Amino acid sequence: QSVLTQPPSASGTPGQRVTISCSGSSSNIGSNTLNWYQQLPGTAPKLLIYSNNQRPSGVPDRFSGSKSGTSASLAISGLQSEDEADYFCAAWDDSLYGYVFGTGTKVTVL
Amino acid sequence: QVQLVQSGAEVKKPGASMKISCKASGYTFTTYYLHWVRQAPGQGPEWMGIINPSGGSTNYAQKFQGRVSMTSDTSTSTVNMELSSLTSEDTAVYYCARDLAYLAPGYWGQGTLVTVSS
Repeated sequence: QSVLTQPPSASGTPGQRVTISCSGSSSNIGSNTLNWYQQLPGTAPKLLIYSNNQRPSGVPDRFSGSKSGTSASLAISGLQSEDEADYFCAAWDDSLYGYVFGTGTKVTVL
Repeated sequence: QVQLVQSGAEVKKPGASMKISCKASGYTFTTYYLHWVRQAPGQGPEWMGIINPSGGSTNYAQKFQGRVSMTSDTSTSTVNMELSSLTSEDTAVYYCARDLAYLAPGYWGQGTLVTVSS
């Protein structure tokens, strides 16, 4: 049972903007930075956003992250077919004293 | 470039132990913490713990405490993860991952599939 809650699915047509939410608590998102991962089938998770809104080198600026209080969101603008994947939020949890992943959101490009 | 190369797939009997290695290259091994994350079939990633390769201090997820051991060997730039008392619920792909930024695992190994079956 994850302490970070995401919607199970999201979808959009090519070119649209899709937003994924991540809801937590004061012990995780509320007091630590939030990361986002993209996972394609059969591959390791790829760090997409770190420290709430920073993109690693090579990640397109179509991906953006934000955080407010105990919630965060990932936005994908100009949706492309290759964005079809599972997306997970993750953060350190001070109560569990561990790194926790969200429940995951499957993004479908219609 | 940063590379994490893990040992190969394993098949284990219930009750047995497993040990996976993760060899790092492309950076100073002792500078960054390494995480272990697993992912059961059809499930999301699950964090198992973290090790500081410099000194070997560890922090394990509560779920695995008493059953997991993470060690580092600075002479070979390798970290190892051992999990004991295996059950079918431990069937998963196991990953090692290095921080890209503080507590942001950003470089991942290729994964090691461990199957627990009688």
